Amino acid sequence: GAVVSQHPSWVICKSGTSVKIECRSLDFQATTMFWYRQFPKQSLMLMATSNEGSKATYEQGVEKDKFLINHASLTLSTLTVTSAHPEDSSFYICSARDRSRNTEAFFGQGTRLTVV
Amino acid sequence: GQQLNQSPQSMFIQEGEDVSMNCTSSSIFNTWLWYKQDPGEGPVLLIALYKAGELTSNGRLTAQFGITRKDSFLNISASIPSDVGIYFCAGRTTSGTYKYIFGTGTRLKVLA
Repeated sequence: GAVVSQHPSWVICKSGTSVKIECRSLDFQATTMFWYRQFPKQSLMLMATSNEGSKATYEQGVEKDKFLINHASLTLSTLTVTSAHPEDSSFYICSARDRSRNTEAFFGQGTRLTVV
Repeated sequence: GQQLNQSPQSMFIQEGEDVSMNCTSSSIFNTWLWYKQDPGEGPVLLIALYKAGELTSNGRLTAQFGITRKDSFLNISASIPSDVGIYFCAGRTTSGTYKYIFGTGTRLKVLA
C-alpha cells in the first residue's frame, strides 16, 4: 500500500523558535498534500492544502505567515511553524493522495510538537 | 471549522460484544469514510462509502452511507481487545478534492 512518512515523529522546541515538519510520499507521487492539526482528545482539523509548485491554500482562521507550507516536489511537503509558542503544541498530521490511483488519501503517522 | 457529530463519545464494552456508532452532519456529503486512530499514530482508513444507501463490510466491520447523505454508521461485530482506539468518521463534499472533514470521534475501550 501507499506510504506517507512524516519526520520527525516528535519534536520539542523552545518558545520563539521555528520548527520544520516533513511529509513524504514514499512510493507514489502526490500533487496535493494536506496538513491537519489535532489537539489532545480532539478531532483532526484541516489547516491547509499543499499544492505542488504553487502556494498553499489555508483554511479559515489559520495564519499563513505562522504556518509556512512548501511543496517543492511531488513527494515532499514541509510545514514550518514559525515563532512557535506553547499554544502551538499539538499533533500535526499530513495526508497525501496518489494522483495515479483512484483512492482516498493516505495519512502519515503524525508529528508531536511540544513547545516549551 | 466544520465538524461532524459522532455518538457515542466513548464506550466501554466487553470482548465479544457488538459495537455501533454513528455520525451525523447538517450538510450533504458525497463520500463517507471511517478511520481508526491508535494513540500517537495517524488515522488508518477502515471503510469508504461512495453511494447513498451503500452498505460495505471489511471483515468484522460494516458501515452504511445514509440515504439522506447526511449520516453514516459503523458496526463492529464480536469485538476483540485490539479494537480499542478512537474511531473517526470523515466526509468529503466534492469529488476531485480530497479535503476531509472529520467527526468528533468515538473512543472505544474493550474489556477482556
